[in-house]
Amino acid sequence: NAGVTQTPKFQVLKTGQSMTLQCAQDMNHNSMYWYRQDPGMGLRLIYYSASEGTTDKGEVPNGYNVSRLNKREFSLRLESAAPSQTSVYFCASSEAPSYEQYFGPGTRLTVT
Amino acid sequence: GDSVTQMEGPVTLSEEAFLTINCTYTATGYPSLFWYVQYPGEGLQLLLKATKADDKGSNKGFEATYRKETTSFHLEKGSVQVSDSAVYFCALIRPNDYKLSFGAGTTVTVRA
Repeated sequence: NAGVTQTPKFQVLKTGQSMTLQCAQDMNHNSMYWYRQDPGMGLRLIYYSASEGTTDKGEVPNGYNVSRLNKREFSLRLESAAPSQTSVYFCASSEAPSYEQYFGPGTRLTVT
Repeated sequence: GDSVTQMEGPVTLSEEAFLTINCTYTATGYPSLFWYVQYPGEGLQLLLKATKADDKGSNKGFEATYRKETTSFHLEKGSVQVSDSAVYFCALIRPNDYKLSFGAGTTVTVRA
């Protein structure tokens, strides 16, 4: 039981490049989330998916797109990376009734 | 909207000292409350939770009590160890909601 897994662990991009961050969970959770974590800013929600087939914007969705591929997988895409997107990205999942969230290990992204 | 306020860090302590991290919240209704811990280079892990007033969550020597009258959920540990060095996040979720509201995090460093 791996919990929430994320790939890659580290990535360096040049400005304007695109990439997709992958997330998968094996806990049969309905809800999944993408956050970014920046120094002094805590965690900010980018997008979430309450259930398979739905996605919604969080606090900071600009510059990102998501796909809920199936119940297990939720990907985050940067179409044209910018230095402001340098951050650590975390995926999480949760399930009713408590909706306590389980986090992946993170992806450290640097955009130069 | 919902919000969580934590005491600002960083907090530096000696081993075996008493740790308190204050957390207060603003939310309608009766949210569930959580403390998450993030060890260096890792994702967030659920440390403890409480789902109703006067509940006490506890784990790994940490405790927090849900105080509805003061809208607080302060984290305490009687005798910290070097291995408790981490960032601690207070969070809440309203009933039937999917999204957590996080505090900004408090960095704790324990010195031997």
